[in-house]
Amino acid sequence: GENVEQHPSTLSVQEGDSAVIKCTYSDSASNYFPWYKQELGKGPQLIIDIRSNVGEKKDQRIAVTLNKTAKHFSLHITETQPEDSAVYFCASKRGGSYIPTFGRGTSLIVHP
Amino acid sequence: SAVISQKPSRDICQRGTSLTIQCQVDSQVTMMFWYRQQPGQSLTLIATANQGSEATYESGFVIDKFPISRPNLTFSTLTVSNMSPEDSSIYLCSVDGGRVPVKSTDTQYFGPGTRLTVL
Repeated sequence: GENVEQHPSTLSVQEGDSAVIKCTYSDSASNYFPWYKQELGKGPQLIIDIRSNVGEKKDQRIAVTLNKTAKHFSLHITETQPEDSAVYFCASKRGGSYIPTFGRGTSLIVHP
Repeated sequence: SAVISQKPSRDICQRGTSLTIQCQVDSQVTMMFWYRQQPGQSLTLIATANQGSEATYESGFVIDKFPISRPNLTFSTLTVSNMSPEDSSIYLCSVDGGRVPVKSTDTQYFGPGTRLTVL
């Protein structure tokens, strides 16, 4: 089955810095890659996603890049703020499947 | 997106008892799922809740331990039976963004979770 590796497990940055979280996947048939943010005491919230026919997608301070050849995708957060502190999960899903495979999560800490 | 509510939001239970978690969605969705998230861990799929038929369980999860109901297209329940401290987790309801009759939009949305502690 699909395997998704996510790094780093913990990321600590100063407010205003950029943060990058990377994921690799194993199934070449995967074509949908969402990112979720989970704040303490809450459920995961979808923040951005990308499909395999696109290389990059941006939404204000967040962006996701996809390299299909290398089978990796990354979340980029610019101008980080303390409210960006949370656990971020990447996931991948192959076409025809209803179930994504999740990474193990990255705990992002933004210091004011 | 979908608005998902879960009840209870948290509970502390004694071992050997059972707890039923409710999930309500604000629209008719085709696909509903139940996940478990152990402390500090990722999301593990327990089962797909099928409307009008038995749930489809993932490897390692059985109906006797985690019975699931889905009586209609907006509601599902998960019961954690004969609980032990190892069942202490966050239980999350999730739906695919596909509104009936669309089966799937690829995107999954999550409820706020039920935080279960078993003593």
